[in-house]
Amino acid sequence: EPEVTQTPSHQVTQMGQEVILRCVPISNHLYFYWYRQILGQKVEFLVSFYNNEISEKSEIFDDQFSVERPDGSNFTLKIRSTKLEDSAMYFCASSGTSFSYNEQFFGPGTRLTVL
Amino acid sequence: GDSVTQMEGPVTLSEEAFLTINCTYTATGYPSLFWYVQYPGEGLQLLLKATKADDKGSNKGFEATYRKETTSFHLEKGSVQVSDSAVYFCALSSIQGAQKLVFGQGTRLTINP
Repeated sequence: EPEVTQTPSHQVTQMGQEVILRCVPISNHLYFYWYRQILGQKVEFLVSFYNNEISEKSEIFDDQFSVERPDGSNFTLKIRSTKLEDSAMYFCASSGTSFSYNEQFFGPGTRLTVL
Repeated sequence: GDSVTQMEGPVTLSEEAFLTINCTYTATGYPSLFWYVQYPGEGLQLLLKATKADDKGSNKGFEATYRKETTSFHLEKGSVQVSDSAVYFCALSSIQGAQKLVFGQGTRLTINP
């Protein structure tokens, strides 16, 4: 069964460093998402991506964040200068082969720890 | 903006007990509603969904009915098992735009044998 994969499973970084979180969505999907979950809190939407551009972003997704689909299979989230409060579990999701509701399939997440 | 409010946890039950986890929502228009489950150390899995009023979603013995008049989507199961121990998230998705998911705060469920 196709699945969304994410690497690494755990990333530890120093404050101020850049990190890139990687995701491989399900191959025929068209819509891609990043969410985050700070420990013990709700899952929050960060950004959605369709047709090689951002379709929606939350207020959390400021200039420190960027997304890219560099090669038609990977979907990456970059945080340019990490802060302590960026420590969270980051989930990638993908959906859809057409613009109507489709289930979002989630990856297992990357736990980011900023020291 | 859209929001989801879930019953506060944690919830602890004995095996074979009846489960209800309450969920209410606020949204413009007619969103789709979902329950996701997160088992320890894993990502989010879709448990069930309903896309219009009065629809009932069901899966693995869990059920939830989309109630537009009370803006609710309560999760129920008649007889829980130890393997149901997990965190349950209620969520909605607007039919407009990028269809992002808006999640409730999650309810941790523990089932004791």
